[in-house]
Amino acid sequence: AQSVSQHNHHVILSEAASLELGCNYSYGGTVNLFWYVQYPGQHLQLLLKYFSGDPLVKGIKGFEAEFIKSKFSFNLRKPSVQWSDTAEYFCAVNLSGTYKYIFGTGTRLKVLA
Amino acid sequence: EPEVTQTPSHQVTQMGQEVILRCVPISNHLYFYWYRQILGQKVEFLVSFYNNEISEKSEIFDDQFSVERPDGSNFTLKIRSTKLEDSAMYFCARGGADTGELFFGEGSRLTVL
Repeated sequence: AQSVSQHNHHVILSEAASLELGCNYSYGGTVNLFWYVQYPGQHLQLLLKYFSGDPLVKGIKGFEAEFIKSKFSFNLRKPSVQWSDTAEYFCAVNLSGTYKYIFGTGTRLKVLA
Repeated sequence: EPEVTQTPSHQVTQMGQEVILRCVPISNHLYFYWYRQILGQKVEFLVSFYNNEISEKSEIFDDQFSVERPDGSNFTLKIRSTKLEDSAMYFCARGGADTGELFFGEGSRLTVL
């Protein structure tokens, strides 16, 4: 069955530290990849997405992610986090040709000021 | 601002009661989705709805669930006879096949007692 795995459930960092959140998926076909963020008390918002082309994609607020097809991975990175990045981050996969999106379990990030 | 408005924001109900959750898009769209997130767990796909028909549904979406767009605008999720395990945050999303991005509402928290 298709699945999305996020390895870190809780991450605590100090401001200015670098961030990398792991995401792996299991699906042999063509996929579109997303990272969504959910700030406390708010709705899910898109950070960035990958459909095709350059495997290094840049999103909002200084986030980027790299698609490594051979590793079925789409890790999220940010060189220097801020307190305002405190949120829950979800990796999601859309199976091409379907309307279904599969989400990972989420990573709760806390950034200490 | 979310592109879809969900009501109610929070509903408390007794087990066995019927619940209707509503989703109102800001503009006309054809693709809609319902997801749910049980507290502390991942975001799970329930159903997708395209052009007034269910296009795909998950194993979770059993006979207790139904969706419809009764007036061409509001998009509703009905749970006929709620169970304790239906307690969750329910997210409506609209999407477009052209972008592949989902735009989520702020969610409706359902508590079943």
